[in-house]
Amino acid sequence: ETGVTQTPRHLVMGMTNKKSLKCEQHLGHNAMYWYKQSAKKPLELMFVYNFKEQTENNSVPSRFSPECPNSSHLFLHLHTLQPEDSALYLCASSQGWDRGADTQYFGPGTRLTVL
Amino acid sequence: GQNIDQPTEMTATEGAIVQINCTYQTSGFNGLFWYQQHAGEAPTFLSYNVLDGLEEKGRFSSFLSRSKGYSYLLLKELQMKDSASYLCAVTDSNYQLIWGAGTKLIIKP
Repeated sequence: ETGVTQTPRHLVMGMTNKKSLKCEQHLGHNAMYWYKQSAKKPLELMFVYNFKEQTENNSVPSRFSPECPNSSHLFLHLHTLQPEDSALYLCASSQGWDRGADTQYFGPGTRLTVL
Repeated sequence: GQNIDQPTEMTATEGAIVQINCTYQTSGFNGLFWYQQHAGEAPTFLSYNVLDGLEEKGRFSSFLSRSKGYSYLLLKELQMKDSASYLCAVTDSNYQLIWGAGTKLIIKP
């Protein structure tokens, strides 16, 4: 297993459903990130965990709930989403301490569609 | 506010050279990244510049001018597999990564 993996790759859910996205990194990194990517828009940083502690929450609605049980795993719990939440959700990881050159490595993303 | 500008889309011919520009206005600067993202795939790291000048890595080169708030990614000997989106991102004074919307590069035979 290499790099950053995400499951599921595709998810269709109704507005009343509850689902979770999973991310796992095999790079020995200490920081993990959730991003939202919508067409023709910049990546939107949602959450950052550094050494399992949440260090960023960029005004994300409470219907998105992150969980980081250890430095290798990151979850994004979803409930009562809206159609405008349909997007590609990307997970990334980085070393976590070389702050300037802290290169992020991305997973393939989960394509989420909210009906 | 903080802003990264790059062209939305560019078209080039196989075997040719293309330059993708990125200009930024950020609160401070701690480095600039270029990523490549093929459709439906993860962004992958291409280059990092923190000092002025040109960094060459095979067919790809990245240039930075901090005084002008400007960078470009130069792709030589274009191949069909270079068709992708190219994302520019800048680390600001708070070590936050500010992303551009990406440039979709279309390579034609």
